Amino acid sequence: SQTIHQWPATLVQPVGSPLSLECTVEGTSNPNLYWYRQAAGRGLQLLFYSVGIGQISSEVPQNLSASRPQDRQFILSSKKLLLSDSGFYLCAWRTSGGQETQYFGPGTRLLVL
Amino acid sequence: EDQVTQSPEALRLQEGESSSLNCSYTVSGLRGLFWYRQDPGKGPEFLFTLYSAGEEKEKERLKATLTKKESFLHITAPKPEDSATYLCAVRRAQGAQKLVFGQGTRLTINP
Repeated sequence: SQTIHQWPATLVQPVGSPLSLECTVEGTSNPNLYWYRQAAGRGLQLLFYSVGIGQISSEVPQNLSASRPQDRQFILSSKKLLLSDSGFYLCAWRTSGGQETQYFGPGTRLLVL
Repeated sequence: EDQVTQSPEALRLQEGESSSLNCSYTVSGLRGLFWYRQDPGKGPEFLFTLYSAGEEKEKERLKATLTKKESFLHITAPKPEDSATYLCAVRRAQGAQKLVFGQGTRLTINP
């Protein structure tokens, strides 16, 4: 069966510091991968998605970037965090063909102070 | 622009009291409508995918239905462990990969 991992689970960072969040998927090959952000009281917003190694599409212009160095690894980064980057970051995956359902990871809670 | 509106924002029921949650959507060609359950501090847990009007799916006390404009999540004889936020999302048939989410309905079942 497939499993998705995210770490860290919680992160408190000062404004201006760098960020690296990691997501890995087990039990599937060539998945489509997604980064979403869920701000308090708001719906989930897609930030980035990837259909393959090195292929990144950005949905919203922002302070963040994403990379996919390996088939089942997706990384969310920032060089300098802003207060507005605080939120709950969720990684999701789905199979690359056919089924449309996206499956979510446990999330990372980021607080920028 | 694709839009998803969920109602009510919050719903409080007594254990055993059946009800329905609504998800109204506007999308240019529906590729799929998705229901998720989210517990506090956790990632959304997949419940159902519906693809076409008239489709219905069931899982334990939950039943999801779909029309051309909305979806309902019916909960029958709920238990306190059904308390969670229920999220609805749509994906359009052409173009973007993203799911467009509603704001969710926060469901509380009192014992």
